[in-house]
Amino acid sequence: QKEVEQDPGPLSVPEGAIVSLNCTYSNSAFQYFMWYRQYSRKGPELLMYTYSSGNKEDGRFTAQVDKSSKYISLFIRDSQPSDSATYLCAMTPSGGGNKLTFGTGTQLKVEL
Amino acid sequence: GAVVSQHPSWVICKSGTSVKIECRSLDFQATTMFWYRQFPKQSLMLMATSNEGSKATYEQGVEKDKFLINHASLTLSTLTVTSAHPEDSSFYICSASEGSNEKLFFGSGTQLSVL
Repeated sequence: QKEVEQDPGPLSVPEGAIVSLNCTYSNSAFQYFMWYRQYSRKGPELLMYTYSSGNKEDGRFTAQVDKSSKYISLFIRDSQPSDSATYLCAMTPSGGGNKLTFGTGTQLKVEL
Repeated sequence: GAVVSQHPSWVICKSGTSVKIECRSLDFQATTMFWYRQFPKQSLMLMATSNEGSKATYEQGVEKDKFLINHASLTLSTLTVTSAHPEDSSFYICSASEGSNEKLFFGSGTQLSVL
């Protein structure tokens, strides 16, 4: 079993839809949780950075962490075609500048 | 967020030649840099962790003599793929952090194609 599980998709939604992306993990030592967005043939871009359990909102993006269930989510409201990308979850026991464990990524396509 | 510059963005080389990829932190000092490779439709695979002024730490299965990493300053790390072969063709990405408690930012990646 992988340390971090993420549905690879592809996930296809209409423009304006609410998108829910999820990861589950097995290592209870993970404390810092991140979501990265990666466009094709580009480096990952940090979207959300959270510590421990709770919610964090930034514009159209909301990150949720439920440590008791070992489950994290990223919600995208009012999805746009420009949101079409691969979304990677990542996590680490210590700060985000340390070695991260990544999910496999979910490919999202937002259609007009 | 912080900017990490990676160069070149793509390179084509002949089998047997060496290729150097540069990773620079533009607006912060990176005590730690990481090097990844990524195959199509797969996640990032960590190759090595690079700390300024010391030898890189390589992940299991990554040949340190094949993938030479130099982190000579707090703003520059280089990855040299020595005697490249077609199986080394991949997307290589660097990342950098100002410290262990800080966020990790990625370069734009380098697509290496070995003929």
